[in-house]
Amino acid sequence: GAVVSQHPSRVICKSGTSVKIECRSLDFQATTMFWYRQFPKKSLMLMATSNEGSKATYEQGVEKDKFLINHASLTLSTLTVTSAHPEDSSFYICSAPRAQAAESQNTEAFFGQGTRLTVV
Amino acid sequence: AQTVTQSQPEMSVQEAETVTLSCTYDTSESDYYLFWYKQPPSRQMILVIRQEAYKQQNATENRFSVNFQKAAKSFSLKISDSQLGDAAMYFCAYRRYRSGTYKYIFGTGTRLKVLA
Repeated sequence: GAVVSQHPSRVICKSGTSVKIECRSLDFQATTMFWYRQFPKKSLMLMATSNEGSKATYEQGVEKDKFLINHASLTLSTLTVTSAHPEDSSFYICSAPRAQAAESQNTEAFFGQGTRLTVV
Repeated sequence: AQTVTQSQPEMSVQEAETVTLSCTYDTSESDYYLFWYKQPPSRQMILVIRQEAYKQQNATENRFSVNFQKAAKSFSLKISDSQLGDAAMYFCAYRRYRSGTYKYIFGTGTRLKVLA
């Protein structure tokens, strides 16, 4: 199956610093990637949709200046948590469908391994 | 707006037995996809099974099968011959049936414990 790699898997940072999380599609091109946040024992909440070559689309209530998304290539999207605070501590997950299946209705999303962010 | 509800926060099953996880959803659309994803302790989301709403036949994947009741907007997952490796969080998810739209809506999850 397709592989989506997310890095780092764990990161601890000091309050006020910025952290970058990378999401790579290893064996397919992804024009779209999704960034989710998962609180403990909770579901995945979609934060934003990353679009290659254009601006990301943010869900209601997500601060775009706080969570910067860059989708510079067909295989890489990054999420930067700026001026991180303890309340930003969470599990972040990216996912991507195959670009070549864009016109196919029947496609699944492939998920990265997730990143555990702890802000101290 | 579409919603997905999983009313069982936690379920337990004896090894080799069968367990059913419930999922209901709400949508005004007639065509869509439904999924069950598994999230083991490693936190990597893994697709378990997928159902197209336009198909009347219930999807099956080895020990995993669904009971899709479109009129009732119900999509339960049955795990037969449960194994210790099945222990995980299970998320039900909805996706619209429209090209280029891959936004998933997830339920709150059900934690499955498998007892040896």
